[in-house]
Amino acid sequence: EAAVTQSPRNKVAVTGGKVTLSCNQTNNHNNMYWYRQDTGHGLRLIHYSYGAGSTEKGDIPDGYKASRPSQENFSLILELATPSQTSVYFCASGDGGREQYFGPGTRLTVL
Amino acid sequence: GDSVTQTEGQVTVSESKSLIINCTYSATSIAYPNLFWYVRYPGEGLQLLLKVITAGQKGSSRGFEATYNKETTSFHLQKASVQESDSAVYYCAPGTQVVGQLTFGSGTRLQVYA
Repeated sequence: EAAVTQSPRNKVAVTGGKVTLSCNQTNNHNNMYWYRQDTGHGLRLIHYSYGAGSTEKGDIPDGYKASRPSQENFSLILELATPSQTSVYFCASGDGGREQYFGPGTRLTVL
Repeated sequence: GDSVTQTEGQVTVSESKSLIINCTYSATSIAYPNLFWYVRYPGEGLQLLLKVITAGQKGSSRGFEATYNKETTSFHLQKASVQESDSAVYYCAPGTQVVGQLTFGSGTRLQVYA
């Protein structure tokens, strides 16, 4: 069965600190995605990747970097975390325009 | 965002009654999309409910149906008779065909009571 895992599941960070959120998929999908979800909003796309070594900007990339070192792993990096980045972050994998499989989410609080 | 508009907030329905959750998308922002409905049940992760990739066709799953209407750029979710177990948050999400980027609506929380 499709599996997308995320770590950590919960994170508390300080303003100005560096945060790395990790995602792993065992679906062998080419595409991976990072979204954030805020109260009262749907998920918004931050970065995505077509495959190992590629990263592309989504709709709200400012303040975030991404890294895709392998087919299985996709990281989201906040170099200088700010309180406005407090949110729930979801990773997903998929192929082309077909279904995406989502991870359980990471709750990030920036103090 | 503005590209996708769906019934906002919470919808409360009595068990066995019919349901419609509206969804429209902007054709200028999302041309020729694949259309998806995702659902999050309490305590569970986000999962696909149904999808349609061809205009004019209908998708169905768990008693829910949605028809891809290209003329009205809509993909409303309907169910003839809801059950308590349908209580969840539903998201309309048009996606691009090649890259597969999804644009999510704000979500509709369905509460079904007995």
